[in-house]
Amino acid sequence: AQTVTQSQPEMSVQEAETVTLSCTYDTSESDYYLFWYKQPPSRQMILVIRQEAYKQQNATENRFSVNFQKAAKSFSLKISDSQLGDAAMYFCAPPVGGAQKLVFGQGTRLTINP
Amino acid sequence: DVKVTQSSRYLVKRTGEKVFLECVQDMDHENMFWYRQDPGLGLRLIYFSYDVKMKEKGDIPEGYSVSREKKERFSLILESASTNQTSMYLCASRSPRGLGETQYFGPGTRLLVL
Repeated sequence: AQTVTQSQPEMSVQEAETVTLSCTYDTSESDYYLFWYKQPPSRQMILVIRQEAYKQQNATENRFSVNFQKAAKSFSLKISDSQLGDAAMYFCAPPVGGAQKLVFGQGTRLTINP
Repeated sequence: DVKVTQSSRYLVKRTGEKVFLECVQDMDHENMFWYRQDPGLGLRLIYFSYDVKMKEKGDIPEGYSVSREKKERFSLILESASTNQTSMYLCASRSPRGLGETQYFGPGTRLLVL
């Protein structure tokens, strides 16, 4: 079965600290994009970061970075200097169902403690 | 910025009614998607469209149909609404591969079927 696993249903971190959200997946694709999205209480899905599978360099967007291990099919998200506005549900989305179709993990609910 | 709009934020319908959910994007994207989101299940793909009048079933198409008569508009149709279709429905539009194949989401429609 083609799957996406986010093994941490909930995580909590103190403001200004660093937190890492994990994601593993299974795909037969070789050239693809992977994504992390956040969904705050407003329910709007917002792109956090995108990684190209053929690039060896891990993507970085300001305080957000990924650790992409293609052979291990692992795609974790690191949030540095956590802020209250980072509180949200985070979804990992690799193209498990084929290059045309993303499959979303079940999500990790991140709480930021002041 | 990509803008994806959905016709309603909240909708209440009765069992057996025909329901139309509309989605419009303003970036001339060829690919558009409909998902439903339920607690603990993440986002599940209902249908997607890769061009006008072209559609493909996702993972849970039963009870739904779609229409794509114009490139900017992708409609989800519940032919005869049932209570198990109460859910959050999210529409997305995807940029082409050269621009990162990123899905941009609308604000969602929360549908309640009584």
